[in-house]
Amino acid sequence: AQSVSQHNHHVILSEAASLELGCNYSYGGTVNLFWYVQYPGQHLQLLLKYFSGDPLVKGIKGFEAEFIKSKFSFNLRKPSVQWSDTAEYFCAVAGRTGANNLFFGTGTRLTVIP
Amino acid sequence: EPEVTQTPSHQVTQMGQEVILRCVPISNHLYFYWYRQILGQKVEFLVSFYNNEISEKSEIFDDQFSVERPDGSNFTLKIRSTKLEDSAMYFCASTWGLYSGANVLTFGAGSRLTVL
Repeated sequence: AQSVSQHNHHVILSEAASLELGCNYSYGGTVNLFWYVQYPGQHLQLLLKYFSGDPLVKGIKGFEAEFIKSKFSFNLRKPSVQWSDTAEYFCAVAGRTGANNLFFGTGTRLTVIP
Repeated sequence: EPEVTQTPSHQVTQMGQEVILRCVPISNHLYFYWYRQILGQKVEFLVSFYNNEISEKSEIFDDQFSVERPDGSNFTLKIRSTKLEDSAMYFCASTWGLYSGANVLTFGAGSRLTVL
């Protein structure tokens, strides 16, 4: 069965600190991987995605994620967070075949203290 | 930038009542989805819809749920007889294609359903 695990439920950082949010997945096939962000009161927005090629993908707002196939991981990183990065972050996986359904992790709430 | 719009943003209903949540997907998209997020829990897939029929549904999507695309623009989720456990944020999403490079879902802002 497909599953996505996000290890941190709530992360609190000071501005300029580095960020790494963990994501591991379980899926019996080739996958596409995503990070979505949900700012307070807003909808889910795509932060970055991995389909194929370079396992280090760069997204918007200085975020990047690395796909490590051997570890079934897709961790999100940012070298220096800002207060405006305060949001909920969701890792998601979709199989390469089928109806394109996304399976989400439980999310990680990031609070950045100015 | 094109958006997926959802109405209402918040609906409060009594247990046993019927609820219809509405979504207007992006105009050239062909695949439509409903997800829900119970407070404090993960976002869960409910149903996908393509070519005027359900492509796939989760075990959550039981006989109390139905979806419809009544015209060329709206995509609705109906809950026939709401239960307390249906209280959640319901997200609509759409995409124009399925495969490599195309399967990025655009989500709406969500409709919060509160069942009393």
